[in-house]
Amino acid sequence: GAGVSQSPSNKVTEKGKDVELRCDPISGHTALYWYRQSLGQGLEFLIYFQGNSAPDKSGLPSDRFSAERTGGSVSTLTIQRTQQEDSAVYLCASSLGGPGSGANVLTFGAGSRLTVL
Amino acid sequence: ILNVEQSPQSLHVQEGDSTNFTCSFPSSNFYALHWYRWETAKSPEALFVMTLNGDEKKKGRISATLNTKEGYSYLYIKGSQPEDSATYLCAPNSGNTPLVFGKGTRLSVIA
Repeated sequence: GAGVSQSPSNKVTEKGKDVELRCDPISGHTALYWYRQSLGQGLEFLIYFQGNSAPDKSGLPSDRFSAERTGGSVSTLTIQRTQQEDSAVYLCASSLGGPGSGANVLTFGAGSRLTVL
Repeated sequence: ILNVEQSPQSLHVQEGDSTNFTCSFPSSNFYALHWYRWETAKSPEALFVMTLNGDEKKKGRISATLNTKEGYSYLYIKGSQPEDSATYLCAPNSGNTPLVFGKGTRLSVIA
């Protein structure tokens, strides 16, 4: 697509429910990243994919968080048994090449705002 | 994980003033330094990618410099306009590690 698409743009859920956030990167971009911004905090790295594999998932806060990428394209971030501290804006970004390449400028999506009541 | 510091945290300037802010990062294992602008209700957008010590990049009224030996970068805005109001993020990366963002400098330009 022309840009990075994320859905849903807003999600309100009850504590304990599972949520799925979707990211559709720019066509041809090999690297895909998930970040989140909690209230009053900076952008926090969660996980990145090169193709369908995740060389770095060090930022996932707990085992309730998981992500996958299929077909070298769409990615889904799943949060199980949501907690109030999971409330944040979840941003997806993609880049033509991986972090160590000369083509690692990130294009961000508009984000998914998650509110856990 | 890289420790990235940005200062000041927030800044209010009058329209027409010039301003600058700082990004500090560990100088070891440096690969590149990115600057992004994040306007309210929009997505972060890339401003500059800098790799060489002493590099200076410019886009209109905005410019940036890089010192990789001492681990800092400055972002300058000349003649600030209300549309420059945004959070400015810097993010270094070291080779194969993803970008680690600072908390940003929130700039408000008052007309």
